[in-house]
This record gives sequence, structure tokens and C-alpha cells, in this order.
Amino acid sequence: AQKITQTQPGMFVQEKEAVTLDCTYDTSDPSYGLFWYKQPSSGEMIFLIYQGSYDQQNATEGRYSLNFQKARKSANLVISASQLGDSAMYFCAMRGSDSSYKLIFGSGTRLLVRP
Amino acid sequence: GAGVSQSPSNKVTEKGKDVELRCDPISGHTALYWYRQRLGQGLEFLIYFQGNSAPDKSGLPSDRFSAERTGESVSTLTIQRTQQEDSAVYLCASSLYATSGRGYHLSGETQYFGPGTRLLVL
Repeated sequence: AQKITQTQPGMFVQEKEAVTLDCTYDTSDPSYGLFWYKQPSSGEMIFLIYQGSYDQQNATEGRYSLNFQKARKSANLVISASQLGDSAMYFCAMRGSDSSYKLIFGSGTRLLVRP
Repeated sequence: GAGVSQSPSNKVTEKGKDVELRCDPISGHTALYWYRQRLGQGLEFLIYFQGNSAPDKSGLPSDRFSAERTGESVSTLTIQRTQQEDSAVYLCASSLYATSGRGYHLSGETQYFGPGTRLLVL
């Protein structure tokens, strides 16, 4: 069965510093996609970054980068130069296997950026 | 262009009543998904549409839940005889397409979410 694990329920970071949010996954499917979403207190799910299992390079989107270590089955999100607006819940998700296209979500990490 | 929209944004209902939740996906997106998020938890998959057909209904928690999609656009999620445990945020997402799962993954499968409908069953 596929599973996403986020072991950090909550994290603090000082404004302007970098922070890494952990995500490990479990799948037997050789082809998969990994996603990170941000959920502010307003509740909407905001797509941040995507990594395909066959991608050779780590994905980057502005201040977000994904540290993809396939052998370790980890897909950590790195946020550089944290801003107060980065305070939110962050969810790691995996695309389902062939028979389903659903996203399988982790339990999330609540990030609080301190001024 | 416009993102995914959902209505109503909030819904309070009494136990036993039926509710209908609506989702308008991004124009041109062929795949549409419904998820449920209970307070303080991650998202649970409910149902997936490819076009107007629903090849995966595996996440629907009971036969009180149903969904349909028309015109490869708007979708409605209906909960009949609501129960207090149905209280949650119901999120809709759409993607350009859903791949077969083999081969190279393209970013077109990225799911974009609506703002959700907050349902409270009293």
C-alpha cells in the first residue's frame, strides 16, 4: 500500500532563515509523482511544487525546492528565506498507482515563522 | 484564468437533511476529484471523474454519498441523511488530465484545489 509520512507535526523557523520539512513515502510502483501543498489558515490548498519519479533533477519553484532522494524514498521540501506569510500547514502528497489517480496525503506539518 | 470554485463556502444543516455541494473546475480540465478533510487531519480521497464518468468511487464512505459530473464541467457531491460525522471541509480539485500511470509523469496531472465547502451537521 502507498503511504506518505510526515514526522514533524509542528516546526518553528526564524524569518529569513531556511527550513526543511520532511516527507517520506512508500510505494512499490516504479512510476509516481510527489507534490507539496500549502494550506494557510483560510483553508485553501495551494500547489507549491511537483517531482516526478523519473526526473533527474530536483524540482525548484522560486523559494521552494524539493530534495528528492529516491533511494531513501524521501521528498523533503526546502523553503529558503522564510517569510511571515509562509506560516501555514504543509502537506506532502503522492499520486496514486495505476488503478487510481487520487492523491495520498500525509498528516501535514504546521510551520510557524517567527519575526 | 479562473481557478476551481466551490459553493457554498459554508453550509450548516441539521442531522438527517440532504446537502448538495458544487464544484466548478478549471476550464479545460478533464479530471476532477473530491476530497474530505476532517478537522486537524489530512485529506481523504472520495471520488474521481475522468470526463463525466467516475472510474474510481472507492473513497465514498457510504451509500449516502454520491456525485455526478455533467458536460465535463460542473460536479455536485450529494450527501443524503447527513450525520454529525459528515462535518468536514469538502475540497474539489481538477487537473488537466490524469495519466495512465506508466512512463514519464508530466506536470499536467497536478491537481489544483478549490477553496472548499465547510459543512457542519448539527
